[in-house]
Amino acid sequence: DTAVSQTPKYLVTQMGNDKSIKCEQNLGHDTMYWYKQDSKKFLKIMFSYNNKELIINETVPNRFSPKSPDKAHLNLHINSLELGDSAVYFCASSQAGGLNIQYFGAGTRLSVL
Amino acid sequence: DAKTTQPPSMDCAEGRAANLPCNHSTISGNEYVYWYRQIHSQGPQYIIHGLKNNETNEMASLIITEDRKSSTLILPHATLRDTAVYYCIVRVAGSNAGGTSYGKLTFGQGTILTVHP
Repeated sequence: DTAVSQTPKYLVTQMGNDKSIKCEQNLGHDTMYWYKQDSKKFLKIMFSYNNKELIINETVPNRFSPKSPDKAHLNLHINSLELGDSAVYFCASSQAGGLNIQYFGAGTRLSVL
Repeated sequence: DAKTTQPPSMDCAEGRAANLPCNHSTISGNEYVYWYRQIHSQGPQYIIHGLKNNETNEMASLIITEDRKSSTLILPHATLRDTAVYYCIVRVAGSNAGGTSYGKLTFGQGTILTVHP
């Protein structure tokens, strides 16, 4: 039973399209995150949600819109995809407070053509 | 969060101990040292954390110097499956509601550990 699951695993699309990536966690955590790993392998946080409330927004273009329908889900919608959006996107979750150890999904590899 | 410095790459023979160093000379008194790793094509995986005492779990040991300015992650018997990028991260534990560092993990370049037969 996967703790943090993302779908799809691979996403190939054309420039200008709109796409969504879904994330679900079954760990009972109250905080979820989206990270982006670019072609140079740098991992950088994009967003963080705590109890469905946006906590961190790291100067991400407003074409990216996270949505958290409940504590167990954090989806990422991307409008008007650009070539530079090609990357691996990782979802993570943790329990806020304390040590805040984060558990990551397997990633979604997005390729924009 | 304090900055960390790690060697870009290291090699280790299978079955031997892998000792991965990390410098964090600007660490604050309330900052923990965390280690994560990322195996190729997978998401990052938590390994271990510590504040000032040495720690051990089923995956690894963490040795923190007395002045807390550096630490070493030890994989006691490295296997081929331990080949990965290892990240040393220093951050304050606990929530900081309303603060910009709330829950954020800042990944550096890490150390690419290659375990060879």
